[in-house]
This record gives sequence, C-alpha cells and structure tokens, in this order.
Amino acid sequence: VTLLEQNPRWRLVPRGQAVNLRCILKNSQYPWMSWYQQDLQKQLQWLFTLRSPGDKEVKSLPGADYLATRVTDTELRLQVANMSQGRTLYCTCSPRLGGPSQNTLYFGAGTRLSVL
Amino acid sequence: GDQVEQSPSALSLHEGTGSALRCNFTTTMRAVQWFRKNSRGSLINLFYLASGTKENGRLKSAFDSKERYSTLHIRDAQLEDSGTYFCAAETGTGGYKVVFGSGTRLLVSP
Repeated sequence: VTLLEQNPRWRLVPRGQAVNLRCILKNSQYPWMSWYQQDLQKQLQWLFTLRSPGDKEVKSLPGADYLATRVTDTELRLQVANMSQGRTLYCTCSPRLGGPSQNTLYFGAGTRLSVL
Repeated sequence: GDQVEQSPSALSLHEGTGSALRCNFTTTMRAVQWFRKNSRGSLINLFYLASGTKENGRLKSAFDSKERYSTLHIRDAQLEDSGTYFCAAETGTGGYKVVFGSGTRLLVSP
C-alpha cells in the first residue's frame, strides 16, 4: 500500500522560475512528513521535517532555494526557486519523531526536476 | 559536522557470492536505516536498527552505535539485487536529522 502520493513525477523548470510540489499522506499513522533532495551525484540530503498544519520553513542550499509548508495533516508542499541544477525531491513520512526502533522513514516516488 | 562514510562506492559480485557494505559515522548516531533504490528510482526500506542486528532473507544488517558503524551483508547474491544501496543515520543530538551515505552501486552478474 502506498503511503505517499507525490506529484508531479517530473518537471522541466525554466531557469529563474519556481515550481510547486505536493505530497499527500495516505495514512495518518505516519504524520511526520519531510522533504529530501537528491543531487545529480545521487547524494541524498534532508531538507525539512514539518509535523503540524501551518508549519513553514525556508532553506537555501547550493543550487536552489526552498520553502516548505505543512498545509494540512495530509498535505505537504515544497516550493523550489532559483534552481540552477537538476535534482530529485523526495517526500517522506514517519510514524514517530525520535522514537524507539519503529521510527522508520518511508519515501515517496520522488519528483525529478530538470532545469531548462 | 555529522558525517557518514559509506564504502565501497561500487561493488561487483557474481551470482551466489556475498559481500558487505559498511558505513562509518563521525559521531554517535541514534539509529541507522538501509535503503535500496529500485529501478523506478524509489527508495525501498531494507532495515531500521537502533542497535544490534537484523536479518531478512539473504540480507543481514548490524549497527554498533558505540563503535560508530553499521554493515549490510548480502549473501547468495542474485541478479535482482543489483542497484544502489544507501545507509542513513539519525543523529543523536541537535534535533531530528537523517544523514545519508553516498551510496554503493552493486552489480550482480551471472
């Protein structure tokens, strides 16, 4: 059973434009939602973890600026701006934050972004 | 900062043989998780360990927080085991953060 619905799967982004990504949680038993990026060298990096509706965070990394928003208990969004290099963004969910051994991180299918 | 050093970066095995992947940590980690990237590019959870060892079929993983390492053993490798494997460690301090290794590309050949 798929825990996360991530869309779109792939986007071509004109240089200088921003893109908005959505992630929908299908099971409320995994409420801790996060964004990860994977760069062209396949290195994975944690970006954000947002638990509650209304939570927002911004971050700037080499090659892109990010704004993450927990819209509802089931929806997480990510705005990617000023992207200069392609990357893949993964949404994840987890049943507990910092808990004991059952705190497993589950990944969505990912959204691949390419710069035009 | 917190770092995860994963080795080897690439590994070639013949069917039926085995080997081990390793991740060393620069600081004490709270837990480690191993993933395999499938043909569609999605990350598949293999193991989550806060300590000790776990085994699932032909895979076995160990995590020693004190000695700062984790291993993933593959035995009787099959063609479908080919792919890229990542370890990811939860840091013990400074809030919730997961640090990934750089990955191991495994190729299993006949």
